[in-house]
Amino acid sequence: QSALTQPASVSGSPGQSITISCTGTSSDVGGYNFVSWYQQHPGKAPKLLIYDVSYRPSGVSNRFSGSKSGNTASLTISGLQAEDEADYYCSSYTTSSTLVFGGGTKLTVL
Amino acid sequence: QVQLQESGPGLVKPSQTLSLTCTVSGGSISSGSYYWSWIRQPAGKGLEWIGRIYTSGSTNYNPSLKSRVTISVDTSKNQFSLKLSSVTAADTAVYYCARGGVAPDYWGQGTLVTVSS
Repeated sequence: QSALTQPASVSGSPGQSITISCTGTSSDVGGYNFVSWYQQHPGKAPKLLIYDVSYRPSGVSNRFSGSKSGNTASLTISGLQAEDEADYYCSSYTTSSTLVFGGGTKLTVL
Repeated sequence: QVQLQESGPGLVKPSQTLSLTCTVSGGSISSGSYYWSWIRQPAGKGLEWIGRIYTSGSTNYNPSLKSRVTISVDTSKNQFSLKLSSVTAADTAVYYCARGGVAPDYWGQGTLVTVSS
């Protein structure tokens, strides 16, 4: 299975909004509403931010939102804060009953 | 609050079998309709899904690792385990266990496994 495609890096200034894309195929992202997003700070385990395309687990800030159109899912972070600087990964369920991750995006808060 | 903790050797020789255990606390591994997953991350690289197991024993594996991977569960010990055979340096990574098969929500802290002679 091929990794989902994410931009290697994005950046934004505090208070701004940024969007990270995650492109797959009709066999994964486009075929199911089982896209998730994770935040990972250096040396830490990933943290689930979004599941089922657009749902936030309890305790996750509403500054994080998810959406999907066709084979591409997106994570939007609004009101960017310094603490948002981290790596972000998407994942999707696949037709083979497996899970595939994106390559990851490094977010820099300027 | 569910907590997961990986344990196992931090150093494995090439061609040998990597064995890790994930101990679940704060809840029964058998309660709820959860899958339990293994995910790894080579240094400086992205996440790679290894596979998952349901408490019934049903498993799914990453096709690229399927021939070498076995995931099992021991409900009496509230643990699930990973075995990866015929390891090479390319299997050196931080290995995470997690709850959930489609959207893992609780993760262990991760354990570094180095493959080296």
